[in-house]
Amino acid sequence: DGGITQSPKYLFRKEGQNVTLSCEQNLNHDAMYWYRQDPGQGLRLIYYSQIVNDFQKGDIAEGYSVSREKKESFPLTVTSAQKNPTAFYLCASRQGFGQPQHFGDGTRLSIL
Amino acid sequence: DQQVKQNSPSLSVQEGRISILNCDYTNSMFDYFLWYKKYPAEGPTFLISISSIKDKNEDGRFTVFLNKSAKHLSLHIVPSQPGDSAVYFCAVAGDSSYKLIFGSGTRLLVRP
Repeated sequence: DGGITQSPKYLFRKEGQNVTLSCEQNLNHDAMYWYRQDPGQGLRLIYYSQIVNDFQKGDIAEGYSVSREKKESFPLTVTSAQKNPTAFYLCASRQGFGQPQHFGDGTRLSIL
Repeated sequence: DQQVKQNSPSLSVQEGRISILNCDYTNSMFDYFLWYKKYPAEGPTFLISISSIKDKNEDGRFTVFLNKSAKHLSLHIVPSQPGDSAVYFCAVAGDSSYKLIFGSGTRLLVRP
């Protein structure tokens, strides 16, 4: 079954700690995305990648970093510089323009 | 400045009736429009899309209408079912962009 797998489903971060959220897809999609959702709000774009070894900042990239070494994988690191990291994080992928984005089931990050 | 607005945070309808969800956008260059459905603690699921060359697209119980002159998008669900209860997001893209811009969502409750 093709899809997008995000892990872990729940993640806790201590103050001053970096954490990495995993996103893997087996849809053979070129483009991948990371969004953040806060309660009562829409999805805000953190980073996106249109092709391997290339990525661009979205609207709220500060305090986050990504890599795209493989087509299937687009991990997101929430650094200690992100002062308000508690949120629901969603990864998505898309084959190309004119195609819908498909989402994973998300990772909920909380601060200890 | 919000480029995509869903002005109704919630909507309640009786089972079997029509649900109409609305979305307004500001930029006439947007040319691809989508609706997603989201359950709590899950990723959004793609429902239906429409390109700017059309004014209507239908898929089973779901129909999306696009009024380009008014910069308005709507989703009609007929007949509504209790399983349709979820948060619905509209999203837009344009200018050959790989990025989607999401509205803040409308929570639909279908009462049995």
